[in-house]
Amino acid sequence: KNQVEQSPQSLIILEGKNCTLQCNYTVSPFSNLRWYKQDTGRGPVSLTIMTFSENTKSNGRYTATLDADTKQSSLHITASQLSDSASYICVVSRGFGNEKLTFGTGTRLTIIP
Amino acid sequence: EAQVTQNPRYLITVTGKKLTVTCSQNMNHEYMSWYRQDPGLGLRQIYYSMNVEVTDKGDVPEGYKVSRKEKRNFPLILESPSPNQTSLYFCASGWTSGHMASTDTQYFGPGTRLTVL
Repeated sequence: KNQVEQSPQSLIILEGKNCTLQCNYTVSPFSNLRWYKQDTGRGPVSLTIMTFSENTKSNGRYTATLDADTKQSSLHITASQLSDSASYICVVSRGFGNEKLTFGTGTRLTIIP
Repeated sequence: EAQVTQNPRYLITVTGKKLTVTCSQNMNHEYMSWYRQDPGLGLRQIYYSMNVEVTDKGDVPEGYKVSRKEKRNFPLILESPSPNQTSLYFCASGWTSGHMASTDTQYFGPGTRLTVL
C-alpha cells in the first residue's frame, strides 16, 4: 500500500533554533517528493520538489534531503522564526505530473519566542 | 498574478441543501483537483480532472460531483450535503505528465471552510 508517514506529529521549539522533520514513504514507483508548508486555515505552499536523482534541495532556510534507497526524506529548518509556525506536509508522486500523489498527514511545528 | 481562487471562503448550510463551491485558475493548467482536509487525516483527494470534460474519482468521492466544462473552472457540487461533509476544502491545479513542466508543483487555493448543520 502506498503510504507516507511523517514524524513527529507535532514539535515545539524556541525561536532561533534548528529542527528536522522526517518523512518515510512506501510509494512505488517513485517520481518525486515534495514538501509543502501550510499555515493554519490556508492552502499548502510548495517549498521544495526533488526527483530521484536529487538528494538535497534548499529554499532559503529550508533544506530538504532525499535518500531514495531507504525511502526517507527530511526537512531541515535553520534559525527558526515565528513565521515558520505551520504544518509541513510531505507528498510523494508516483508519476510525472500531478495525477498520482500520496500525502502525509503533516508535522505541526510551533515556534515560541 | 498566478493563482487559484475559491468561492465562497466560508459557508454554513443545512443538511440536504444543494451547494456549489467554485474554483478557478489562471495558469492554463490541464490538471485540477479537489481535496478535503480533516484533523488527523491530512489531505484526501475527492475528484480530479486531467483536462476539459475529463474527470475521475479520487479517494473519497461519495456525496460529491464535479464538472469541467472550461479549462479554468472546476466546481465542486454537493447535491445533498450531510454533517459528515463538514470540512476544509481545497482546490488545486498543476500540469499533467504530458507537459514539459510536469515536475512543477501543484498550486492550491485558499480553502473553503464548510459547515453542514
